[in-house]
Amino acid sequence: GAGVSQSPSNKVTEKGKDVELRCDPISGHTALYWYRQSLGQGLEFLIYFQGNSAPDKSGLPSDRFSAERTGGSVSTLTIQRTQQEDSAVYLCASSLVSGSGELFFGEGSRLTVL
Amino acid sequence: EDKVVQSPLSLVVHEGDTVTLNCSYEVTNFRSLLWYKQEKKAPTFLFMLTSSGIEKKSGRLSSILDKKELFSILNITATQTGDSAVYLCAVVDYGGSQGNLIFGKGTKLSVKP
Repeated sequence: GAGVSQSPSNKVTEKGKDVELRCDPISGHTALYWYRQSLGQGLEFLIYFQGNSAPDKSGLPSDRFSAERTGGSVSTLTIQRTQQEDSAVYLCASSLVSGSGELFFGEGSRLTVL
Repeated sequence: EDKVVQSPLSLVVHEGDTVTLNCSYEVTNFRSLLWYKQEKKAPTFLFMLTSSGIEKKSGRLSSILDKKELFSILNITATQTGDSAVYLCAVVDYGGSQGNLIFGKGTKLSVKP
């Protein structure tokens, strides 16, 4: 497709389980961002990838969170030993050029931890 | 610390009203300011502003940047219920954290019939 694709769109899991969220950015976009948005809250930055550079992981809330981007394209956000406070919508965005600011967002993955 | 502050946090108006949303910023290496509209999940891009005093316009929406006073406004005239959304402001801060992009917390606009 032409847009940013995220999967799954919804995920319900039990506390303590691991989850993987996937983001397929727009082809050719070198920059990829992950954000978290809790109900009624703003966007919380998690991690940023730019080409082959080391990612900016400064927003990851704990060492249970990790992300990788393979081949400069698809990215996976992994949350280990999920907690109820991890429940949120996880949004992925990509942009053609780093620092352009014009992000194209996916529809998000809604995570519910019971 | 770099920051982007939006006001008001929420706003309720009636159809036909005109609204002004505010975004002020303090960043080290300003590059541009962007506005996004978020209705359900995915924010969609509205405007990018780089130069002071040049209005960007799209239909009933318009925006302008003041780089001296470090703020931007987003105006919506003749509001419609379809304008109900969260409006996000973001600043591109070269060399900054968060992938060079800092978001405000958003303004939630509710337009009542």
